[in-house]
Amino acid sequence: DAGVIQSPRHEVTEMGQEVTLRCKPISGHNSLFWYRQTMMRGLELLIYFNNNVPIDDSGMPEDRFSAKMPNASFSTLKIQPSEPRDSAVYFCASSILSGSTDTQYFGPGTRLTVL
Amino acid sequence: SQQGEEDPQALSIQEGENATMNCSYKTSINNLQWYRQNSGRGLVHLILIRSNEREKHSGRLRVTLDTSKKSSSLLITASRAADTASYFCATDYGNKLVFGAGTILRVKS
Repeated sequence: DAGVIQSPRHEVTEMGQEVTLRCKPISGHNSLFWYRQTMMRGLELLIYFNNNVPIDDSGMPEDRFSAKMPNASFSTLKIQPSEPRDSAVYFCASSILSGSTDTQYFGPGTRLTVL
Repeated sequence: SQQGEEDPQALSIQEGENATMNCSYKTSINNLQWYRQNSGRGLVHLILIRSNEREKHSGRLRVTLDTSKKSSSLLITASRAADTASYFCATDYGNKLVFGAGTILRVKS
C-alpha cells in the first residue's frame, strides 16, 4: 500500500514567492496533520484536519500560512509570501482515527529553502 | 516548554550493544508513542503504550511507562547499524500529539 505522498520533495524559492506544498494521505485515514521541523524548534504541529475539516490551526505561525483539504485524498499548505525563516522540512501525516493523538503515518517531507 | 523531553540527546554504541533512551513528560497522558526518523526521511511509528500499561514489546524494542514518575524508556536490544537514527517520544497534550527533541542514536559497526 502507498504511504503518505508529499510533493515536491524539495523546493527552492526566493523570498516573497508563493509556495504550495501538497499531500495525499493514506486512503481511508480520517485525520491529516501538517508539521514543520527545524533544528531550533524541533517538530511543530501546524494544523490538523478531521474528516476534511480544520480542527486546530493554532500552530500556524502567521497569516502567511494557509492550509486546505478539499477532499479526503488531498491537502495543500500554502505560504504567501515566503520568507527565509520559513526554510524547514514540512511533513504531512495521517491517522486512521478521527483524533489527533493516535498513531500517525508520516510522509517523506518537503524540504523548503527560501533564499 | 515541551511536553516530552528525551534523554540523552545523543548516544553512540557498538553494534550488538543495547541502547536505552528515556523520555520525561509534564502532564497526565492517555498514551505515549515512540517514533524513529532516519536521516532525510519522515518519522516512522514504532510503538504506542497506553497509560494503563507498564511495559510493551515489539521485536527488539521494549518500552516501559511509569506514570507516577511521568517517564518512559525505550530499549533497543542487540543494536544494528541500521538502528542509527533519531528517536522521538510523543505524548498527547490537550488535543495534540507533542514530540520531544529526540535522541540521536549512532550504532557503530
